[in-house]
Amino acid sequence: QGQLAQSGAEVQRPGASVKVSCKASGRSFVNYHMHWARQAPGQGLEWMGLISSVDGTTTYAPNFRGRVTLTRDKSTSTFFLSLNSLRGDDTAVYYCARSLEFWGQGTLVIVSS
Amino acid sequence: QTVVTQEPSLTVSPGGTVTLTCASSTGAVTSANSPNWFQQKPGQAPRPLIYGANNRHSWTPARFSGSLLGDKAALTLSGVLPEDEADYYCLLYNGADQDWVFGGGTKLTVL
Repeated sequence: QGQLAQSGAEVQRPGASVKVSCKASGRSFVNYHMHWARQAPGQGLEWMGLISSVDGTTTYAPNFRGRVTLTRDKSTSTFFLSLNSLRGDDTAVYYCARSLEFWGQGTLVIVSS
Repeated sequence: QTVVTQEPSLTVSPGGTVTLTCASSTGAVTSANSPNWFQQKPGQAPRPLIYGANNRHSWTPARFSGSLLGDKAALTLSGVLPEDEADYYCLLYNGADQDWVFGGGTKLTVL
């Protein structure tokens, strides 16, 4: 229950955008927050933001406001993280986490020219 | 912007007890910060251990306990096993900005 399946690894150029998906299964689409976090190679975890499953209300970490957008598709229980103006230091594994309790397997995003 | 501070590294002997702490730059950590603790091993996603300062998940072994210790959140491991060697992260809720902040993590070595 509460399984999350994330999209596959991506390689993007600097300045481009990336969209990572996270599909929730095993539970009905009840009210919860889907959190997103990332981890650069050899570094710690960094909280990016969250979205409400019910009304789509979002909260973003200060470091990412203006560059990240969280959305969801209620019909497919799928959540999305979009990050634009990519830089080399955006290279990281991106995680979704339902109510901080169930975590996706992570999506590696590499930003390289 | 809130900064959350953890010990960078700790070492404990097998069978021993160790306490990891989590401090906030905004002041004392309270239950309102809803402290969460996660364990992470190399190449794996974080594994939730504790939520709401002192609540174990159904899969969290009893040797892990969370608490508020003075002005910090704390994670205590009792009867440490070699498999507990990992990175541990705390996560605090910042009510003023309604966001969350991870600590820098503690690398726990069992030796």
